[in-house]
Amino acid sequence: SQQGEEDPQALSIQEGENATMNCSYKTSINNLQWYRQNSGRGLVHLILIRSNEREKHSGRLRVTLDTSKKSSSLLITASRAADTASYFCATEPVLYDNQGGKLIFGQGTELSVKP
Amino acid sequence: DTGVSQDPRHKITKRGQNVTFRCDPISEHNRLYWYRQTLGQGPEFLTYFQNEAQLEKSRLLSDRFSAERPKGSFSTLEIQRTEQGDSAMYLCASCGGLATNEKLFFGSGTQLSVL
Repeated sequence: SQQGEEDPQALSIQEGENATMNCSYKTSINNLQWYRQNSGRGLVHLILIRSNEREKHSGRLRVTLDTSKKSSSLLITASRAADTASYFCATEPVLYDNQGGKLIFGQGTELSVKP
Repeated sequence: DTGVSQDPRHKITKRGQNVTFRCDPISEHNRLYWYRQTLGQGPEFLTYFQNEAQLEKSRLLSDRFSAERPKGSFSTLEIQRTEQGDSAMYLCASCGGLATNEKLFFGSGTQLSVL
């Protein structure tokens, strides 16, 4: 079953604008990760934020995590046409034995950046 | 290229036939995952291994699906008596180290079409 829900399902913006995608999840987590997927290809890891962190930056990416609301957001600043892809959040649930290890993905946000 | 190889890239089969997919993870990675993805959806967890031990298998996975990782290196995913509903992209991913907070490296996937 899917743990995360992304919002919006699709987003279309002009080059140079910022893109914000949101993710909500259901259970306690060890960490939350964002991945990108170009059409017909495998996923590529973008950024990981741990449950005790609130914000993280990597280049043009900014991720926030609010564990009280069980939600995260991914901001891509100054978007480029090459950012066009699907973006997925993935959570690692805390298991009762704390072994963890499994990532559960959301449905994704399809981002289109027009030149 | 993430270093995770999947073979074949595409497989077309007739309903009722058996198919087997192979995944070669990054050599030093001890964890290996299988996911299934259909168009417009996020990856759905199937199973994962730590070394040669299969630690978890999705309850959504029928008995027609079996996965192995005999020497803790490459893995195979077999689907017996394929059905049209099995048509999907099958993704393999690996990650390394003993920590639970690790990013996944995905292969390009095997696209299965069941006619």
